[in-house]
Amino acid sequence: DTGVSQNPRHKITKRGQNVTFRCDPISEHNRLYWYRQTLGQGPEFLTYFQNEAQLEKSRLLSDRFSAERPKGSFSTLEIQRTEQGDSAMYLCASRARDSNTGELFFGEGSRLTVL
Amino acid sequence: AQSVTQLDSQVPVFEEAPVELRCNYSSSVSVYLFWYVQYPNQGLQLLLKYLSGSTLVKGINGFEAEFNKSQTSFHLRKPSVHISDTAEYFCAVSDTGRRALTFGSGTRLQVQP
Repeated sequence: DTGVSQNPRHKITKRGQNVTFRCDPISEHNRLYWYRQTLGQGPEFLTYFQNEAQLEKSRLLSDRFSAERPKGSFSTLEIQRTEQGDSAMYLCASRARDSNTGELFFGEGSRLTVL
Repeated sequence: AQSVTQLDSQVPVFEEAPVELRCNYSSSVSVYLFWYVQYPNQGLQLLLKYLSGSTLVKGINGFEAEFNKSQTSFHLRKPSVHISDTAEYFCAVSDTGRRALTFGSGTRLQVQP
């Protein structure tokens, strides 16, 4: 399978704990995006990487959130000191180097439940 | 800034009936428009996209959409729905320079037998 891969698919944690999600984009896609989706809402943009550079961050990305893409391949999204309001689906997407249309390819998401 | 409004949160329809899911967008610049579908516990899958040219765009699974610049709309249609079309549908916009998509809040299509 050469699609976007995310893990873990589900994570249940207690408030105050740290969690980390991983995203492996489609091979050779140089652009990688993180979105958050809460129940009944559309995906909300969090951050974007081109290769290893983080080029854009949403105001939704508080200082408890950090994303990295150290070698321009996989990416991690860490949430520190989780709060119940962090419960959501975290979606990763990638985009081809030569795409100028904005089309994104999504993974199946990582669902976070904070108790 | 861009925004997308999906006017209906839920659309119930009987199998084999036609359906239209409405989408309006706001942007000060030229845009690309997309419809994505999300089945339960899955990621988003592209249905169709409008980049330029013909305003009627055909996508997968028999869906089509029409871009109307004067009304800033991009409504999704299917002449005859199936039970398997039950899913959440998201309209999204990207301007020709920005890198990320802006999504609407989604429309849940519920196809009943």
